[in-house]
Amino acid sequence: AQTVTQSQPEMSVQEAETVTLSCTYDTSENNYYLFWYKQPPSRQMILVIRQEAYKQQNATENRFSVNFQKAAKSFSLKISDSQLGDTAMYFCAFSMIKAAGNKLTFGGGTRVLVKP
Amino acid sequence: DVKVTQSSRYLVKRTGEKVFLECVQDMDHENMFWYRQDPGLGLRLIYFSYDVKMKEKGDIPEGYSVSREKKERFSLILESASTNQTSMYLCASSWVAYNEQFFGPGTRLTVL
Repeated sequence: AQTVTQSQPEMSVQEAETVTLSCTYDTSENNYYLFWYKQPPSRQMILVIRQEAYKQQNATENRFSVNFQKAAKSFSLKISDSQLGDTAMYFCAFSMIKAAGNKLTFGGGTRVLVKP
Repeated sequence: DVKVTQSSRYLVKRTGEKVFLECVQDMDHENMFWYRQDPGLGLRLIYFSYDVKMKEKGDIPEGYSVSREKKERFSLILESASTNQTSMYLCASSWVAYNEQFFGPGTRLTVL
């Protein structure tokens, strides 16, 4: 079974600064997907960024980027130029590549507070 | 835009009641999921469905059942609610060929 671990329950950052959230996972699979989801206080979970394990290039989405280290099974998220709207819970998630199901396994989450 | 809706944002029930949580998606997704979210535990999969009338147990199915009679609708049923089922319940859906899941706004269920 796959497991996902987020070791930082809470982090705070000043507006305009950079924060990095860590995520490690355990799997025996070679091909899979990794995701970072954001859940703001409104509770609507939205996808921030996605990484395919077979791609060596780290995914980037505007101010969000990842550092994917496949051998170390590490998948950290960097938020640059933090904005007040980035305040949210962030969840790291893992998914195997399957024909049916595509279940996600989530980490415990990291609460990020952006301070003005 | 993909839309996943859930029947209630907040729900209060009594121990022993039968509870129905309903989820509807409008993007013709094959897969639908029910998760439970608790502080420090993240989201844990209760059940999922990859086709009409098809269902599979997730990691924590005990005390829950599901129904999927139509492709767009996936119901979570608590046959006899208990206080330890007080939680946030999130529904999600996805296409088979694309692993991104789209989430509903969640239902915060309190069982007294």
